[in-house]
Amino acid sequence: QVQLVESGGGLVKPGGSLRLSCAASGFTFSDYHMSWIRQAPGKGLQWVSYITGSGSTIYYADSVKGRFTISRDNAKNSLYVQMNSLRAEDTAVYFCARRVDIVGENAFDIWGQGTMVTVSS
Amino acid sequence: QSVLTQPPSVSAAPGQKVTISCSGSSSNIGNNYVSWYQHLPGTAPKLLIYGNNKRPSGIPDRFSGSKSGTSATLGISGLQTGDEADYYCGTWDSSLSAGAFGGGTKLTVL
Repeated sequence: QVQLVESGGGLVKPGGSLRLSCAASGFTFSDYHMSWIRQAPGKGLQWVSYITGSGSTIYYADSVKGRFTISRDNAKNSLYVQMNSLRAEDTAVYFCARRVDIVGENAFDIWGQGTMVTVSS
Repeated sequence: QSVLTQPPSVSAAPGQKVTISCSGSSSNIGNNYVSWYQHLPGTAPKLLIYGNNKRPSGIPDRFSGSKSGTSATLGISGLQTGDEADYYCGTWDSSLSAGAFGGGTKLTVL
């Protein structure tokens, strides 16, 4: 079945780094644009980053620009985000999500269960 | 601070209808499609509405979406206790070149 499974979360000190992965299955991964979306404890959803199916176009939220790097390996059906210079405010559950395959649409029809990232000393 | 504005909470009785508003600007809702999500804590968010008013397969027609200008609305009719959840609107912001979500609305079915 169509599925996204995140991994790589954990506890990291401020200023540290972490790499999250998202394994996709059940669909042609390279056909879909993908995003990372996070939810801090007690807060709402926050869009983090987006990458096109080919990886040629990438966008970031201002709050992570210059610190996070999104990438994908279509041969491995995997999405990644490298998170550097982590701050306490990056503490959140991180979801990977598949964007609906419709031009002009920014809706997400498949989500993973999320992986928790805690930034604390 | 969310780019899109939603009421923090709404409530209604079982069987009734409730609407949740989402207010934005010309750079986001005004010129882009709106989507809506249902989110229960500890689970993956579920897409309810995309393209302003389209339902993915499997989403009952009790859920409806509309858009007018720079605002959008999610309607839920025939409320059930299982509808208690957080609801989020989402879109793209062309000025920011970034995705955007509302702050979320907690629905209580009394």
